Amino acid sequence: GDSVTQMEGPVTLSEEAFLTINCTYTATGYPSLFWYVQYPGEGLQLLLKATKADDKGSNKGFEATYRKETTSFHLEKGSVQVSDSAVYFCALSGRGGGFKTIFGAGTRLFVKA
Amino acid sequence: GAGVSQSPSNKVTEKGKDVELRCDPISGHTALYWYRQSLGQGLEFLIYFQGNSAPDKSGLPSDRFSAERTGGSVSTLTIQRTQQEDSAVYLCASSSRGQGAGGYTFGSGTRLTVV
Repeated sequence: GDSVTQMEGPVTLSEEAFLTINCTYTATGYPSLFWYVQYPGEGLQLLLKATKADDKGSNKGFEATYRKETTSFHLEKGSVQVSDSAVYFCALSGRGGGFKTIFGAGTRLFVKA
Repeated sequence: GAGVSQSPSNKVTEKGKDVELRCDPISGHTALYWYRQSLGQGLEFLIYFQGNSAPDKSGLPSDRFSAERTGGSVSTLTIQRTQQEDSAVYLCASSSRGQGAGGYTFGSGTRLTVV
């Protein structure tokens, strides 16, 4: 079945550092790919998405590119802020999972001032 | 409503008791999902409703868990004879497209503690 693997956390960065959170997937066909974010004490929010190969999703300074050849969807941000501290979940939705969304285990990010 | 609403936000129950968790999705969203998030873990799929179709129950961990969706709107997740391992945050999400390609809108969750 479909699955998502993302880098283990926690990731600790200083403010204004460059962020990469790796995500790779296994899927039948061509799934849609997502990043969700969960701020402390809140529910999950959709951060960005990409629905086909080479698409780039972007939001709030975060970006991720759908790479079919490497089955990856790495999350990047050029300059993180303390307010970016949260748990980030990579996810996919596709035929192999019955079109329900399958989530990675989450990566906790701490940003220090 | 403007967002996905879940109630209660917190529930403490004694082992062996039954609990009901409620989800009110965004008006007009045809798809509704329940997930479970245990401490420090990812999201575990439980059940999926799409319109009037039979629900996908493939993620329910045991027959103590059941869910229904009345009138294509509000959903109730019921856990019978709760066990300590049922302690988790139960998240509900809805989407306007049943295949999930547009992404989900999540509620804030119900934190269940079984003592």
